[in-house]
Amino acid sequence: AQKVTQAQTEISVVEKEDVTLDCVYETRDTTYYLFWYKQPPSGELVFLIRRNSFDEQNEISGRYSWNFQKSTSSFNFTITASQVVDSAVYFCALPPRGSQGNLIFGKGTKLSVKP
Amino acid sequence: KAGVTQTPRYLIKTRGQQVTLSCSPISGHRSVSWYQQTPGQGLQFLFEYFSETQRNKGNFPGRFSGRQFSNSRSEMNVSTLELGDSALYLCASSKGQGDSYEQYFGPGTRLTVT
Repeated sequence: AQKVTQAQTEISVVEKEDVTLDCVYETRDTTYYLFWYKQPPSGELVFLIRRNSFDEQNEISGRYSWNFQKSTSSFNFTITASQVVDSAVYFCALPPRGSQGNLIFGKGTKLSVKP
Repeated sequence: KAGVTQTPRYLIKTRGQQVTLSCSPISGHRSVSWYQQTPGQGLQFLFEYFSETQRNKGNFPGRFSGRQFSNSRSEMNVSTLELGDSALYLCASSKGQGDSYEQYFGPGTRLTVT
């Protein structure tokens, strides 16, 4: 069965530091999608990225970057030059086999960025 | 484009009562999924509706039910509320077909059972 592990429960950094959030997943599927979501204190989950298992290129979007390594089943998320507004809980997720409307989430990593 | 809306945002109910939560998806999206979020269990999938049919179901008791209307709006019902049902209930919408797996979430309904 699919599983997502986010070993870091909480991380605290000072503004402008770089921070990496780890995500390790388990799946027997040969093709699959991986996701990252952000949940600010307001509670709404915000979609950040979807990555297809076919594509192992790293992706960069502004201060955000993602490192996908199929060999180690990891999909790590790095925030460069962190800001206070990055404070949130970040979730990594993947869909169960053959299912579109369902996501299996990790437990999340709470990131606190202090000024 | 309007996002996913959920009503009500906050709800306080008494044990034994029932509750109905509502979710309006993004225009054009035909899939609505429901999740329960608690500090202990994290985010757990309840069920998904696509074109008015339940397509996927999580591991929750039958007290949790849902439905979807022809305009894709969805409701979730919890009967005989228990204290453990206190949670943030999140609804997500997606196109539900093709290779578009992205789910977009609403702000949630925070349910407190006393």
